[in-house]
Amino acid sequence: LAKTTQPISMDSYEGQEVNITCSHNNIATNDYITWYQQFPSQGPRFIIQGYKTKVTNEVASLFIPADRKSSTLSLPRVSLSDTAVYYCLVGSTSGTYKYIFGTGTRLKVLA
Amino acid sequence: ETGVTQSPTHLIKTRGQQVTLRCSSQSGHNTVSWYQQALGQGPQFIFQYYREEENGRGNFPPRFSGLQFPNYSSELNVNALELDDSALYLCASSLAGLASDYEQYFGPGTRLTVT
Repeated sequence: LAKTTQPISMDSYEGQEVNITCSHNNIATNDYITWYQQFPSQGPRFIIQGYKTKVTNEVASLFIPADRKSSTLSLPRVSLSDTAVYYCLVGSTSGTYKYIFGTGTRLKVLA
Repeated sequence: ETGVTQSPTHLIKTRGQQVTLRCSSQSGHNTVSWYQQALGQGPQFIFQYYREEENGRGNFPPRFSGLQFPNYSSELNVNALELDDSALYLCASSLAGLASDYEQYFGPGTRLTVT
């Protein structure tokens, strides 16, 4: 199973772009990568998902290099409301299903 | 709002007791997963049910068991509670079966405290 690690915390200012990287060295061929945002006392909320290369939606971009051993979540022009914990999730569908959350990155956006 | 609800919101139990947590999935979702999230840590995968059968399990002992019902509701049962079982328990529903649709919709969680 892929073990995932992330930086513990990051600080940024409003309006800046924030990049959060997740390392998943043992990712398997069929595993996919998802990023979630979590506020205190709430369940995680889906941000973006990908398998390889680059994926973009209305709130974020996800960059996955060819070896897929890491992934980077990019949040353009963050605001104070983006202060939260961000998790990467590696989902395995090889055999039985398993999901491995990363250690989480606590992002603090400053005014 | 994800359309996923959990009950109860909070629960206090004594060590050795049994507990049942409930989840109502988003309508039409055929898959439900349960996670344990200790304070300050990321969610840990307990197990997943697809069409009422377990099809994935994390590193949790057999005293953690579950059920999924045809009406999109599900249960997490924990027997012989231990102090370390104190955590936020999250359920997440999804619509499996499509090639790339693995987005999970999480409920707000149940905070379990074992004393």
